[in-house]
Amino acid sequence: DAGITQSPRYKITETGRQVTLMCHQTWSHSYMFWYRQDLGHGLRLIYYSAAADITDKGEVPDGYVVSRSKTENFPLTLESATRSQTSVYFCASSPSLPRETQYFGPGTRLLVL
Amino acid sequence: SQQGEEDPQALSIQEGENATMNCSYKTSINNLQWYRQNSGRGLVHLILIRSNEREKHSGRLRVTLDTSKKSSSLLITASRAADTASYFCAMRLNAGNMLTFGGGTRLMVKP
Repeated sequence: DAGITQSPRYKITETGRQVTLMCHQTWSHSYMFWYRQDLGHGLRLIYYSAAADITDKGEVPDGYVVSRSKTENFPLTLESATRSQTSVYFCASSPSLPRETQYFGPGTRLLVL
Repeated sequence: SQQGEEDPQALSIQEGENATMNCSYKTSINNLQWYRQNSGRGLVHLILIRSNEREKHSGRLRVTLDTSKKSSSLLITASRAADTASYFCAMRLNAGNMLTFGGGTRLMVKP
């Protein structure tokens, strides 16, 4: 009954390195989302997925890549990390239509040096 | 740019007092939701109000929606120290299927 989990919870990396943030949900929700949270900007949608193998861009997708080969997993990859990608990243899921209630993971704090 | 703006950005009250947070938005919406975020944690859904509703209650929470003014308010009655958190409004715009979040209100309830 873990719900939605994210790993790692904390990550320090260097500019130019590739980083993958993991998200796993146990509810079999159709929709999954990645947000970043920064002071002064609230939560901004990076990418979302309506089902396995279906993904689409959100408000701030540049520099990020996602995949969804299985319903329960939705990894987010920073192909070449930049300092501006230092942020707190939240994964969320929703059982049906994306406009309804979303369930959030605990977040991953990423620091890019 | 954010579709939702919250006011105030920060609020400090004493335990037992009521806390009111406001959210304004720019375009027509399908529904508006409120979420709570405790420090260092993910967001937790509190309540959803649809565009054809004017008021909803859930325990000590009361949410109102005024679509003519494009605004919503969240009232927490008889606040407790455990209510200390950030509160976010999120709206589903009629143009699109995703949620757009406001910048949040940081609430501190002093014991």
